[in-house]
Amino acid sequence: GDSVTQMEGPVTLSEEAFLTINCTYTATGYPSLFWYVQYPGEGLQLLLKATKADDKGSNKGFEATYRKETTSFHLEKGSVQVSDSAVYFCALSASNSGYALNFGKGTSLLVTP
Amino acid sequence: DTAVSQTPKYLVTQMGNDKSIKCEQNLGHDTMYWYKQDSKKFLKIMFSYNNKELIINETVPNRFSPKSPDKAHLNLHINSLELGDSAVYFCASSQEGPRGNGYTFGSGTRLTVV
Repeated sequence: GDSVTQMEGPVTLSEEAFLTINCTYTATGYPSLFWYVQYPGEGLQLLLKATKADDKGSNKGFEATYRKETTSFHLEKGSVQVSDSAVYFCALSASNSGYALNFGKGTSLLVTP
Repeated sequence: DTAVSQTPKYLVTQMGNDKSIKCEQNLGHDTMYWYKQDSKKFLKIMFSYNNKELIINETVPNRFSPKSPDKAHLNLHINSLELGDSAVYFCASSQEGPRGNGYTFGSGTRLTVV
């Protein structure tokens, strides 16, 4: 079945450092790809998405590009802030799973001043 | 004006009890979902309903029974609660067709079974 694999956390960075969180997927069809963010004690918020190959999603300085050839959707940000500390989830949705979101295990990010 | 609202936010109960979690969305979405987040933050789909019809029913104990009285509501009833049911349960809804582009999540219900 479809699956999403994310790099294990926790990731600890200093403020203004460059962030990369790796995400790869396995899917039989043509999924849509997403990054969600969960701040402490809160629900999930959509950070960005891409619905087809070579699409780039971007929001709040975060970017991710849908790479079909490497089945990847890595999340990047050039300069992280303390307020970016959260858990980040990569996810896909596809027709063979009823379009439900299939999540990776999440990567915890801690940004220190 | 909360888009997807769940109640209660916190639920502490004893093993063997029966409890319900309610979810309502005011976005006019056709599809609603229940997800379970375990202690390691792993999120897994449990159920989805499209316009009151059950679409997804993952491998979930039959002690869990979703009920959708209308497309704006999807409640989750849990019988004979067990310690392993302790988790955060998220309701969500989506529109823009079936591709999940318009997912909105509730703020979660933290269930603790003692």
